[in-house]
Amino acid sequence: GAGVSQSPSNKVTEKGKDVELRCDPISGHTALYWYRQSLGQGLEFLIYFQGNSAPDKSGLPSDRFSAERTGGSVSTLTIQRTQQEDSAVYLCASSLSWGADYGYTFGSGTRLTVV
Amino acid sequence: KQEVTQIPAALSVPEGENLVLNCSFTDSAIYNLQWFRQDPGKGLTSLLLIQSSQREQTSGRLNASLDKSSGRSTLYIAASQPGDSATYLCAVSLDSNYQLIWGAGTKLIIKP
Repeated sequence: GAGVSQSPSNKVTEKGKDVELRCDPISGHTALYWYRQSLGQGLEFLIYFQGNSAPDKSGLPSDRFSAERTGGSVSTLTIQRTQQEDSAVYLCASSLSWGADYGYTFGSGTRLTVV
Repeated sequence: KQEVTQIPAALSVPEGENLVLNCSFTDSAIYNLQWFRQDPGKGLTSLLLIQSSQREQTSGRLNASLDKSSGRSTLYIAASQPGDSATYLCAVSLDSNYQLIWGAGTKLIIKP
C-alpha cells in the first residue's frame, strides 16, 4: 500500500485480556518500529525490527509485551493480561534502512483502552 | 539520559500571525532532530529533518533551526493558517542509535 496501515484503529478490552495489534509497513521498507504514546506524554520506543536481524526489544515495558515480524513485512504487537496502564495509542512506523537517514512513515495508530 | 522538552504545551493564536515553537534537549550529542505534525486520529507527518551539522531547514512557510551547543531547536511558522492547527512534536536521534527521543508536543490552535 501507499502508507503504513495499522489495525484495529480502536480497541477496547477488559483488564486481563490479551490483545493483538497489527502493522502493515510500506512495501520495501526494511525497518519497522513500534512506539507507544500515552496521554500527555512523548512517544516511547518499544521495539525495532531491521531486515532479518534480531529485533531490539529493549523498549518493551514488561514481559507481557511481545512482537514479531513475519516474512520481513507485517508485524504484530501482542499484549498479554492487559492492565489499565497499557491504555495508550500504539504507533507503528517503517523506513528504508535506518530511519534517521531516510525518514520515517507512521501509521495512524491503534488507540487501546483497557477498562 | 537524553530528555526532550517542548514549550509551550499549548498555543492559540489568530490566523495570519507568525509563531515559534520551542524544543530543547539535554544532551548535545545528537545525530539529527526532526519536527513532526500529528493530527487527531492520524499518524505523524514528518515536516523537517535537521542533521547535526546543519543550522536550519526550510520547507514552505516552515523554518526549523538547530543550535546543538545550547540544546535548542525552534520551528517557525509564517503567516499561520487554520489548517496549521495540530500537535507539533520534535524528536532527536542519538549518535549511533536509531531510537527517537520525543518531546511531549505543542498543541497549536490557529483561530480563523
